Amino acid sequence: DGGITQSPKYLFRKEGQNVTLSCEQNLNHDAMYWYRQDPGQGLRLIYYSQIVNDFQKGDIAEGYSVSREKKESFPLTVTSAQKNPTAFYLCASSTRPGTDSYEQYFGPGTRLTVT
Amino acid sequence: AQSVTQLDSHVSVSEGTPVLLRCNYSSSYSPSLFWYVQHPNKGLQLLLKYTSAATLVKGINGFEAEFKKSETSFHLTKPSAHMSDAAEYFCVVRDYGGATNKLIFGTGTLLAVQP
Repeated sequence: DGGITQSPKYLFRKEGQNVTLSCEQNLNHDAMYWYRQDPGQGLRLIYYSQIVNDFQKGDIAEGYSVSREKKESFPLTVTSAQKNPTAFYLCASSTRPGTDSYEQYFGPGTRLTVT
Repeated sequence: AQSVTQLDSHVSVSEGTPVLLRCNYSSSYSPSLFWYVQHPNKGLQLLLKYTSAATLVKGINGFEAEFKKSETSFHLTKPSAHMSDAAEYFCVVRDYGGATNKLIFGTGTLLAVQP
């Protein structure tokens, strides 16, 4: 089955530690995205990548970092510089802009709790 | 700049009664609009999309939405609610600010379905 996998589903970390969230897709999509979801705020874009070895900051990139070494993978690192890291993190992918079918497909999410 | 406003943060209906979730948009261009659904602790699933073809868009699970340019609205409806429709619904507009597939999300409407 084609889709997006995120692991782990739940993640607990101590304050001051970096943590990496995994996102893998087998949809052969060029573009991938990371969102953060907080109650009552919808989804906010952290980083996105339109092609391998290239990525851009979204609206709330501070305290986060990403890499895109492979088309299938787009891991997100939440660094100790992120002031409020506890949230639900969603990964998504889509075809390259300019194609007809550009809706985003979402993974199941990772709930990160930092104490 | 594009934006969407979901007019109700919570909607409660009885099973078997109609559902109406309201969304207004703002866009300098002919917009691409979407409705996504999110069940608790899950990723987002695309319900339907409008891309300047027919103004009445049919989606999955009996949902549909009507694009009304004169009212800048894209309300989501369903004739008869089912218990399984209880979820959070997001109205989304595609961002045409650059050559990307970036999406702009509303803050969500939580739909409760009473037996």
